[in-house]
Amino acid sequence: DAKTTQPNSMESNEEEPVHLPCNHSTISGTDYIHWYRQLPSQGPEYVIHGLTSNVNNRMASLAIAEDRKSSTLILHRATLRDAAVYYCILRANYNTNAGKSTFGDGTTLTVKP
Amino acid sequence: GEEVAQTPKHLVRGEGQKAKLYCAPIKGHSYVFWYQQVLKNEFKFLISFQNENVFDETGMPKERFSAKCLPNSPCSLEIQATKLEDSAVYFCASSGTGGQQYFGPGTRLTVT
Repeated sequence: DAKTTQPNSMESNEEEPVHLPCNHSTISGTDYIHWYRQLPSQGPEYVIHGLTSNVNNRMASLAIAEDRKSSTLILHRATLRDAAVYYCILRANYNTNAGKSTFGDGTTLTVKP
Repeated sequence: GEEVAQTPKHLVRGEGQKAKLYCAPIKGHSYVFWYQQVLKNEFKFLISFQNENVFDETGMPKERFSAKCLPNSPCSLEIQATKLEDSAVYFCASSGTGGQQYFGPGTRLTVT
């Protein structure tokens, strides 16, 4: 399974943008890049996913490098509720609905008021 | 329903006892996944189902772990003869056609 590498922890100030990086140098051509986050004592929550092009949704933006070996999750204005562990995950595209998620170690985001 | 439901929330078993965990996926979702989170950030994939059929069981410790998804019943994950190292939070997730996995709140299993 392709692996992802993320910084262990990051800090942000409230109301400021946050850029969470992820390296996935062994990504295969058909792997989708997914981001999930896990708030304390909860199950992981879907944030965003993409294949090649940058993606935006109401929660975040996903910027994917041209060679797809890295990506960045962008939270445009961090709030205290965004404090969580953020996981960058690769999912095989043979059937993206069926593919298992291989979690890395995640980045613990702390948001300071 | 629109949420994945997992029961029980907490389960305590003595070493060697059986543990059974349940998961009700979101209605209409064809895929169900089980994951084990042992340490704070460490997830391990166990097994997935497409409807009632096993899709991928590459993560299952086959000696003591088994799982089922039968029609019109919650899915289940059973651990025979639990060991201390089985203590973990077990998450169930389901997936429809949008590419997202929806995770349940988890069952915390403590083996004493």
